[in-house]
Amino acid sequence: DAGVIQSPRHEVTEMGQEVTLRCKPISGHDYLFWYRQTMMRGLELLIYFNNNVPIDDSGMPEDRFSAKMPNASFSTLKIQPSEPRDSAVYFCASSLVGAPKTQYFGPGTRLLVL
Amino acid sequence: QKEVEQDPGPLSVPEGAIVSLNCTYSNSAFQYFMWYRQYSRKGPELLMYTYSSGNKEDGRFTAQVDKSSKYISLFIRDSQPSDSATYLCAMRVGGGADGLTFGKGTHLIIQP
Repeated sequence: DAGVIQSPRHEVTEMGQEVTLRCKPISGHDYLFWYRQTMMRGLELLIYFNNNVPIDDSGMPEDRFSAKMPNASFSTLKIQPSEPRDSAVYFCASSLVGAPKTQYFGPGTRLLVL
Repeated sequence: QKEVEQDPGPLSVPEGAIVSLNCTYSNSAFQYFMWYRQYSRKGPELLMYTYSSGNKEDGRFTAQVDKSSKYISLFIRDSQPSDSATYLCAMRVGGGADGLTFGKGTHLIIQP
């Protein structure tokens, strides 16, 4: 089976532009997570969904960030407007209900905002 | 104080050595403990998980959890150059709280 798929793998944009990151979870998984990784702060949870419903978005840094999951096989993380401090690697992960709810990570999207 | 503390390293050891990686945490509600391995420019991959206190062994890897001390460890025996990576500890409360809290990771280098 294919793992978690993320696109694009790399994104370079200018400050103020809108950025959309995409994720396809593993088929059959009912949890989807968005994380951000930086050297300074490490890997941080931004938001997660259960059965397409957002459960906890307390990690979303500010209103410029939004995430949606319109169906079980697709999610987006949008940043508008983007700022240089948003530069990071963004990971999507998915898992299946039941202990220990192991999370499987995608390859990440490396975002650079100039 | 961060919820999970992990020495970033780098930790450099010769091939064949026993490696000890550690994390401390402050939230006593954590029940599930994991170790992820992350190669450069790749996503983290699950290596080991344990529930509550105790030991778990899988091949060359042993994970230990001491909830009384809020301390978890990962031991790697007979270390190989292919073990060179960043190792991240992660933990979660369980129940309905499913997001993982990660340490910042320890960069491990195994010298051939």
